[in-house]
Amino acid sequence: NAGVTQTPKFQVLKTGQSMTLQCAQDMNHNSMYWYRQDPGMGLRLIYYSASEGTTDKGEVPNGYNVSRLNKREFSLRLESAAPSQTSVYFCASNSGGAAYQPQHFGDGTRLSIL
Amino acid sequence: DAKTTQPPSMDCAEGRAANLPCNHSTISGNEYVYWYRQIHSQGPQYIIHGLKNNETNEMASLIITEDRKSSTLILPHATLRDTAVYYCIVRAPNFGNEKLTFGTGTRLTIIP
Repeated sequence: NAGVTQTPKFQVLKTGQSMTLQCAQDMNHNSMYWYRQDPGMGLRLIYYSASEGTTDKGEVPNGYNVSRLNKREFSLRLESAAPSQTSVYFCASNSGGAAYQPQHFGDGTRLSIL
Repeated sequence: DAKTTQPPSMDCAEGRAANLPCNHSTISGNEYVYWYRQIHSQGPQYIIHGLKNNETNEMASLIITEDRKSSTLILPHATLRDTAVYYCIVRAPNFGNEKLTFGTGTRLTIIP
């Protein structure tokens, strides 16, 4: 069971470079999420997608763009990376419905911006 | 979302029950209590959730006080693999569109 797969696992960028973080889930989930986690902090929501074709801003969207390519894939793009975006990025997914469905998380992408 | 307060760290002996408290005195009537944990920089893992009744699953038990202003997550027989940061989250349900807010949680260390 792959669950939520994130690529790459590690990346180092220079300030001003662009990059796309990839996320794919194989659980047929409707909703997908991108979070960032800074050292010693909890996770903060960047963007989410409640269904294929829709995206919405979370708590800290500035400097990021997202694409819900299809039901399986949800990518996060940094157009011009800044040192303040050095963080661990987590993708998550869950299904909709009448009862609570917990979020399933990937193992994260560790991104350093020099 | 209601504000939650958790102790920053706790220790527990291996094999004993680990009791992790969470205060949420401003909780509203429709808000649930959710618990996730994060083991050493991995992605968070769902543990359990509840509204007002006590809940139990294969991982843990959740005890919510009658006034719902606090709750306790219980790991009945803690093992070394339970060493993690535990997050208590209180929010109203929006099934399938859960914008979770993680605080800093409680760092639980299981002592051999």
